[in-house]
Amino acid sequence: ETGVTQTPRHLVMGMTNKKSLKCEQHLGHNAMYWYKQSAKKPLELMFVYSLEERVENNSVPSRFSPECPNSSHLFLHLHTLQPEDSALYLCASSRTRNYEQYFGPGTRLTVT
Amino acid sequence: KQEVTQIPAALSVPEGENLVLNCSFTDSAIYNLQWFRQDPGKGLTSLLLIQSSQREQTSGRLNASLDKSSGRSTLYIAASQPGDSATYLCAVNKVRDEKLTFGTGTRLTIIP
Repeated sequence: ETGVTQTPRHLVMGMTNKKSLKCEQHLGHNAMYWYKQSAKKPLELMFVYSLEERVENNSVPSRFSPECPNSSHLFLHLHTLQPEDSALYLCASSRTRNYEQYFGPGTRLTVT
Repeated sequence: KQEVTQIPAALSVPEGENLVLNCSFTDSAIYNLQWFRQDPGKGLTSLLLIQSSQREQTSGRLNASLDKSSGRSTLYIAASQPGDSATYLCAVNKVRDEKLTFGTGTRLTIIP
């Protein structure tokens, strides 16, 4: 079991729903990340937070909205998603940017 | 733009054999390279991280090498076991970019 937890582990939502993914790290790290993993595609970095400040937004559609209230918690708020947004969403943390990243188990999202 | 390639996409070997997984990257200006393991439907587990100034790292039966000038890394697994079956991903962290760029992975199956 890693020091990074994610909830929920599975989520099915309609295109008009609003939901949030939660990530929590217990490692005392200062940087947190959201990644998207789609079938047969490399992991795509979505957002980076360092010391609770967003430092990277990798051209992600506005229907994905991150929030980092403190260095231990990271949220991904979802609204009006599309079926192609169905994927495994992974959270990671590292001591600071450029250090080894530790990943959570992911949230399997299905948009119907 | 950094591109990371892992070949083959899938590999099956009998239990007990030694094996090598390959990773190549197009831009040699990297800060570090990280090898991960991913079990089906799960998050990533960090295996080894090699800094750009290092040639190799070892952890138990795993040995990762880095040849930055040629843009290559290998992950050597000794005396393979069925529990080693997983997808293995490599990722590079580019200097001044601070983003991990992932390959698509090699799906390894160890046959008992």
